[in-house]
Amino acid sequence: NAGVTQTPKFQVLKTGQSMTLQCAQDMNHNSMYWYRQDPGMGLRLIYYSASEGTTDKGEVPNGYNVSRLNKREFSLRLESAAPSQTSVYFCATIWGASYNSPLHFGNGTRLTVT
Amino acid sequence: TQLLEQSPQFLSIQEGENLTVYCNSSSVFSSLQWYRQEPGEGPVLLVTVVTGGEVKKLKRLTFQFGDARKDSSLHITAAQPGDTGLYLCAGIYSGGGADGLTFGKGTHLIIQP
Repeated sequence: NAGVTQTPKFQVLKTGQSMTLQCAQDMNHNSMYWYRQDPGMGLRLIYYSASEGTTDKGEVPNGYNVSRLNKREFSLRLESAAPSQTSVYFCATIWGASYNSPLHFGNGTRLTVT
Repeated sequence: TQLLEQSPQFLSIQEGENLTVYCNSSSVFSSLQWYRQEPGEGPVLLVTVVTGGEVKKLKRLTFQFGDARKDSSLHITAAQPGDTGLYLCAGIYSGGGADGLTFGKGTHLIIQP
């Protein structure tokens, strides 16, 4: 039982390159989230998907797109990477819409854009 | 955007000492969660508090939710090196929806042997 799996763990991109961060969960959770974590900034929500087939913008969506491929998978795409997107990216899931339940996080993707 | 203020931002103390971390907002929370994050890993939930005035204990960790549900604290008794990590509070505000929790910026805690 892996929980939330993120790939890749590390990535270095040059400005203007594109890439997709993958997230898969095996907990049958409805809602999935993408956060970025930067020093001194905490965790900021990029996009979320409350259920399969729906996606919505979070606090910092500019420069990103997402796809909720099915209930298990939620991907984050950078079409033209910029140095400001250097960060640690976390995928998280939650059962239903109740926040008395915990968010389950993956172990992150560490992205550097040069 | 709702704001959650955590303090202190950094704390380095000796093993065996006590410490308190604070999480404050001007808005009312529906519920508040505390997470702990170790280097190279994602945050892991420690506790959820829901009722104003609620106190929860997890071994040497005591979590308190303010009576007005606008603030929370985490107290660690007799800190140990294994308590080292980033502690994050996260709140759901009254009227908040599926766009998730609002996180504080975190407290970096180092317990020196």
